[in-house]
Amino acid sequence: QIVLTQSPAIMSASPGEKVTITCSASSSVSYMHWFQQKPGTSPKLWIYSTSNLASGVPARFSGSGSGTSYSLTISRMEAEDAATYYCQQRSSYPLTFGSGTKLEIK
Amino acid sequence: EVKLVESGGGLVQPGGSRKLSCAASGFTFSDYGMAWVRQAPGKGPEWVAFISNLAYSIYYADTVTGRFTISRENAKNTLYLEMSSLRSEDTAMYYCARDFYYGSSYYFDYWGQGTTLTVSS
Repeated sequence: QIVLTQSPAIMSASPGEKVTITCSASSSVSYMHWFQQKPGTSPKLWIYSTSNLASGVPARFSGSGSGTSYSLTISRMEAEDAATYYCQQRSSYPLTFGSGTKLEIK
Repeated sequence: EVKLVESGGGLVQPGGSRKLSCAASGFTFSDYGMAWVRQAPGKGPEWVAFISNLAYSIYYADTVTGRFTISRENAKNTLYLEMSSLRSEDTAMYYCARDFYYGSSYYFDYWGQGTTLTVSS
């Protein structure tokens, strides 16, 4: 199965700071999807097909990557961005998720 | 408005069985593949099973193969997950998710609020 390794596992950022979360796949995947999850809620699609923002996602978010290396970037951190982010591959079964990056506001 | 509402969770003894349901509304259910994803307390999501729109294709995670069965009833806009030989490690929040296709990629665009399954004696 394709293992997705996210880094860092936990991080904190100040308002206005640039944030980058990476997701490394054990084998090449065609696309990477990202989900945002806040405590007590279900995961929400955040970025699909590597670089497309889901409906309602602020433009300060972006996604990039190819092959085995992908990333989610926040150009300027805001308090509402504090959450856990998961990457997910849909290229082959079993479908897999990364272990998550918990992003906190300083 | 797309809505997915899971039900059927609860407390089950190890070795027991349970059937989860996911009621869909706000879209043409028979046009979409559907999946179950679970999340153990304090852990990340884990994909469990997938079923295509007309149930021609079905896939399972290795951890549940032979114990869980995914099915759907398009006439009732409902997705199911029948679980047997339950273990403590099956304890989790269970979500259903819609599989959306755009461009050349599939992804889970809508998730339900989840139903909690606890396997314990």
